[in-house]
Amino acid sequence: ELKVEQNPLFLSMQEGKNYTIYCNYSTTSDRLYWYRQDPGKSLESLFVLLSNGAVKQEGRLMASLDTKARLSTLHITAAVHDLSATYFCAGYTSGTYKYIFGTGTRLKVLA
Amino acid sequence: GAVVSQHPSRVICKSGTSVKIECRSLDFQATTMFWYRQFPKKSLMLMATSNEGSKATYEQGVEKDKFLINHASLTLSTLTVTSAHPEDSSFYICSARDVGQGYEAFFGQGTRLTVV
Repeated sequence: ELKVEQNPLFLSMQEGKNYTIYCNYSTTSDRLYWYRQDPGKSLESLFVLLSNGAVKQEGRLMASLDTKARLSTLHITAAVHDLSATYFCAGYTSGTYKYIFGTGTRLKVLA
Repeated sequence: GAVVSQHPSRVICKSGTSVKIECRSLDFQATTMFWYRQFPKKSLMLMATSNEGSKATYEQGVEKDKFLINHASLTLSTLTVTSAHPEDSSFYICSARDVGQGYEAFFGQGTRLTVV
């Protein structure tokens, strides 16, 4: 059964700094998703990664996927306060059609 | 992107009563919808997978008689929390899968349930 873990769980960083959130998964995942959640809100889709070596970028966020290592990363470049949120990765198994979420990373960007 | 509407966004109910949460796909047909539960500052826990026209598939440890799921049409799934207790208080989120968009799932706004 697919299990997804993220680290770190909490991340406090200064504006302007770079950092990476890691997402490891236990078995084959057909695709990997990244979501953002603001307090009291639902999930906002950020990226869908479909194949090994996939890289996607949107603004200060860049996500990548290494299926051999069963690892996805979400890199934050020159963080700004507006990026403060909780970020989730999720794996997907086509056999079960299930989306399995990671533990989440609570990011706080300090001004 | 596709829109999933969840209603109500907040509900307060008394212990022992039942409450129904609706999840609608507004601009696509969703053969499969998912119901999640999220405790404060925790991840999303998949409760069940709802398939149109058939019984829902519940995850291990989720009481199917407690959390009734009905997926009567291609655009509507409902979750009914029966005989609610304070420990059922949580944030419930639905998502619907749009097969026309590469199997991406889209999420409803969530429902904050408080049982008093």
